[in-house]
Amino acid sequence: AQSVSQHNHHVILSEAASLELGCNYSYGGTVNLFWYVQYPGQHLQLLLKYFSGDPLVKGIKGFEAEFIKSKFSFNLRKPSVQWSDTAEYFCAVRVGTGGFKTIFGAGTRLFVKA
Amino acid sequence: DSGVTQTPKHLITATGQRVTLRCSPRSGDLSVYWYQQSLDQGLQFLIHYYNGEERAKGNILERFSAQQFPDLHSELNLSSLELGDSALYFCASSVGGGLTDTQYFGPGTRLTVL
Repeated sequence: AQSVSQHNHHVILSEAASLELGCNYSYGGTVNLFWYVQYPGQHLQLLLKYFSGDPLVKGIKGFEAEFIKSKFSFNLRKPSVQWSDTAEYFCAVRVGTGGFKTIFGAGTRLFVKA
Repeated sequence: DSGVTQTPKHLITATGQRVTLRCSPRSGDLSVYWYQQSLDQGLQFLIHYYNGEERAKGNILERFSAQQFPDLHSELNLSSLELGDSALYFCASSVGGGLTDTQYFGPGTRLTVL
């Protein structure tokens, strides 16, 4: 069965530190990959997505992610985090033909200390 | 604000009862997706409707059903409720029903079953 693994459930960083959140998926076919963010008390928002082409994808708020097909990974990065990046981050894979489904990872809670 | 609205925001009910959650998609969006977010299962895809027709089913229990009406709003019906159904229920909408469409999430309905 398809699955998405996020390795870190909780991450604590100081402002200006670099961030990398791991995401691995289990699916042998073509995948569409997403990172979503959920700020405290808010709805899920799309950070970035990858469908094809350049495996390095840039998203909003200075985030980027790299798709490495051989490693089934889609890690999220940001060179310098801010206090306002405190949120929960979800990696997701969308699979299927005709009817499709989006499979989410368990999420990583990031807390950035001011 | 994503433009997707969900009502009610909170719902408290008892085991064995039936509830209806409502979702209004963004103006112009034809697809509605339902998700369940719980502590033990994480964020799970339930069902997808496109222009009134069911497109895909995920981990939706038989006690749950959904429909999308001609005005494109959708309702998720949960019956014979159990304690384990307590969760945050999100809906999302997208313009089309394609694999690469961006989904916009609503604020969710928090269901508590006592």
